[in-house]
Amino acid sequence: GAVVSQHPSWVICKSGTSVKIECRSLDFQATTMFWYRQFPKQSLMLMATSNEGSKATYEQGVEKDKFLINHASLTLSTLTVTSAHPEDSSFYICSADPVTSYEQYFGPGTRLTVT
Amino acid sequence: QKEVEQNSGPLSVPEGAIASLNCTYSDRGSQSFFWYRQYSGKSPELIMSIYSNGDKEDGRFTAQLNKASQYVSLLIRDSQPSDSATYLCAVKDSGGGADGLTFGKGTHLIIQP
Repeated sequence: GAVVSQHPSWVICKSGTSVKIECRSLDFQATTMFWYRQFPKQSLMLMATSNEGSKATYEQGVEKDKFLINHASLTLSTLTVTSAHPEDSSFYICSADPVTSYEQYFGPGTRLTVT
Repeated sequence: QKEVEQNSGPLSVPEGAIASLNCTYSDRGSQSFFWYRQYSGKSPELIMSIYSNGDKEDGRFTAQLNKASQYVSLLIRDSQPSDSATYLCAVKDSGGGADGLTFGKGTHLIIQP
């Protein structure tokens, strides 16, 4: 099946620093990947759509200068949280769908804690 | 704004019984519908996808779609304790791959041994 990996699985950083999260599709190519965020006891919220070779598309209310997305290849998208603050602490999950399927498969997620 | 509504539960079902989960969505233009299972602290796992009106069965799971009523449901037969999780209903605008998913808040299902 379609496998998506994320790294790191968890990270703790200090307020004001930047954190990079990688999302990889392991057995398929993905021209489009998606980044979601999930706060405790809440559902997943789409943050942005990552497009290979072009700029990401951000959902309303998501700061593009704070959440930098790079989709450098057909199997890798990165999310960089810049100048992180405690309110950015959350579960960040990426997803991708194989071109042969409309179904989105999720990575295992990255738990970010900003102190 | 697109909305997906689910009863948050908890929904408690005896082991071996049928669990019925429901979802309504606001955007009549939605084309693709998905059910995900999420265990606590983990990412969502795809259970079922459905694109046309009617029923779709896969093992113990049956998804039902009624676009006229903007209603999607998931039935789990012969419920097992391992089915205890939060079930997320998700909707996508188009049939293609370019759109992200809009999720409901999820229904917390508890299967009682």
